[in-house]
Amino acid sequence: SQELEQSPQSLIVQEGKNLTINCTSSKTLYGLYWYKQKYGEGLIFLMMLQKGGEEKSHEKITAKLDEKKQQSSLHITASQPSHAGIYLCGADLLNNAGNMLTFGGGTRLMVKP
Amino acid sequence: KAGVTQTPRYLIKTRGQQVTLSCSPISGHRSVSWYQQTPGQGLQFLFEYFSETQRNKGNFPGRFSGRQFSNSRSEMNVSTLELGDSALYLCASSGRELIFNEQYFGPGTRLTVT
Repeated sequence: SQELEQSPQSLIVQEGKNLTINCTSSKTLYGLYWYKQKYGEGLIFLMMLQKGGEEKSHEKITAKLDEKKQQSSLHITASQPSHAGIYLCGADLLNNAGNMLTFGGGTRLMVKP
Repeated sequence: KAGVTQTPRYLIKTRGQQVTLSCSPISGHRSVSWYQQTPGQGLQFLFEYFSETQRNKGNFPGRFSGRQFSNSRSEMNVSTLELGDSALYLCASSGRELIFNEQYFGPGTRLTVT
């Protein structure tokens, strides 16, 4: 989706290295989700960020929301092979009633042992 | 709690046929959203149902329709299938009525149109 751009599109890192994935919106962000997807499977919910400046962590994954820049970043510390997959950001860009997310194109992460 | 379930998981249909996919949300969740995922277009929103009413709709042709039952289970139907309808169809459920909620996805139904 051009409304929500993710970078990089793909990433190969050595096990143990840190990495960052970015998600930038062309519209006001009213809330942002991060999901992980194994190829051809459903999305696994990682984190939800709602307020500007909000930062959440789960195990070795940290996500931040910069409302002014209309951007979110997902940071993985000391990557492991289990982190491999496709990371998707989804956002509420309409602030209307209901659940309607716009998704980025995804970042394919490979972690080399 | 059991997660979101979708049936069938795989489906092969011929052009011109119609298909119905089913989604059972997490117990207690009243909102069900449907998404289409293709390699070319990515993940795109189809529609959302809340308490048996369609609350939001994406930019898809009228061949794509859905409904929700009183037990919150939802079905989506695609009529007059086209090759381009081949995709992974995902549904997601959410528990609260407020605007911004955690959405939990099912494993998806992979539809192949030949």
